[in-house]
Amino acid sequence: GQNIDQPTEMTATEGAIVQINCTYQTSGFNGLFWYQQHAGEAPTFLSYNVLDGLEEKGRFSSFLSRSKGYSYLLLKELQMKDSASYLCAVKGTNAGKSTFGDGTTLTVKP
Amino acid sequence: DVKVTQSSRYLVKRTGEKVFLECVQDMDHENMFWYRQDPGLGLRLIYFSYDVKMKEKGDIPEGYSVSREKKERFSLILESASTNQTSMYLCASSLSDIQETQYFGPGTRLLVL
Repeated sequence: GQNIDQPTEMTATEGAIVQINCTYQTSGFNGLFWYQQHAGEAPTFLSYNVLDGLEEKGRFSSFLSRSKGYSYLLLKELQMKDSASYLCAVKGTNAGKSTFGDGTTLTVKP
Repeated sequence: DVKVTQSSRYLVKRTGEKVFLECVQDMDHENMFWYRQDPGLGLRLIYFSYDVKMKEKGDIPEGYSVSREKKERFSLILESASTNQTSMYLCASSLSDIQETQYFGPGTRLLVL
């Protein structure tokens, strides 16, 4: 099975940098996703890591260490619109299936 | 752009009723998923399908069934709705096993009285 842990809530200031961590324990691993979900809306894809290292995409970056079962999502130059829930999801060996963490609710304050 | 649509945004049903939630995707995706999302419990997979007429149980299939008669449509059925099935239901699709990014529909908020 899969066990995914991420902090429940985080708060940061507009313009700052925030790092959201995700640790996982899985019986199989074929990649890790980060999704963003604004209140009342559906999750939307942010990033995908399957190899160790950092993937950068504009203000958002995602890091993966498979040996440590660890990932983080880094958000730079925070904006108020970044206030949302951030979901970590691990793709296992079962075709098509990903397991989601409970999500981290990020609040960006002025 | 991938579009995943769900038949209703809000639904109110009574205990014991049979409930159908419909999901349609327009990008010829092979995989489709049904999740429920509850505060403090995150997204939990109910069922998924990787091909027409194929289905697999997720983590919480009890009390639910699914149907995939056409590639673009994946239905979630609550045979006899109960109050503990009050939740937000999210449908998602992904292109294939290789391309695993999931695209979500807007969700259906179901209230069972």
